[in-house]
Amino acid sequence: AQSVTQLGSHVSVSEGALVLLRCNYSSSVPPYLFWYVQYPNQGLQLLLKYTSAATLVKGINGFEAEFKKSETSFHLTKPSAHMSDAAEYFCAVKRQGAQKLVFGQGTRLTINP
Amino acid sequence: EAGVTQSPTHLIKTRGQQATLRCSPISGHTSVYWYQQALGLGLQFLLWYDEGEERNRGNFPPRFSGRQFPNYSSELNVNALELEDSALYLCASSDGQGYGYTFGSGTRLTVV
Repeated sequence: AQSVTQLGSHVSVSEGALVLLRCNYSSSVPPYLFWYVQYPNQGLQLLLKYTSAATLVKGINGFEAEFKKSETSFHLTKPSAHMSDAAEYFCAVKRQGAQKLVFGQGTRLTINP
Repeated sequence: EAGVTQSPTHLIKTRGQQATLRCSPISGHTSVYWYQQALGLGLQFLLWYDEGEERNRGNFPPRFSGRQFPNYSSELNVNALELEDSALYLCASSDGQGYGYTFGSGTRLTVV
């Protein structure tokens, strides 16, 4: 079975600082991995996805994530935080060939001016 | 291309009533997923429909049910509403190729 652990339910950074949101996964087979963002009172929007191609994945809004098999991690980063990045971020995993996405509990990102 | 649409946006019901939530997937998507997002509880998987059939169900009581229509749109029904059913209900669709879901904006259900 697949599972995802997001380390830190709340992360706070200053505007212009590095954003690092941590995600570790558990999967018995090669996984597909995803990051979604949710702005207040909205649905989830796909930021980026890893589907067994390049291990460094670039997404929208300047975010990127690196798949590290040895560490079973898929951390999300952005070099310089903007106020508009304040939102909740969800990491998700699915088994290749399967349909069901399994989500982490989410990390709320706050940006300080 | 139209995204996943959900209706209504907001729904207020009293305890014991029934609620019906609707979802239209992206054109060409045959799978529809329902999630409950209650305050502080993250995303809880409810139901998965594909090609008109229920494929998987999360750990929810039977009063949560749904269906998928021939045009792949879907309904989620919640009977005998309880206060703790108050949540944002999210619908997502996929094309079955396994590259992730596209989410709608959700229905905010409030039970009073």
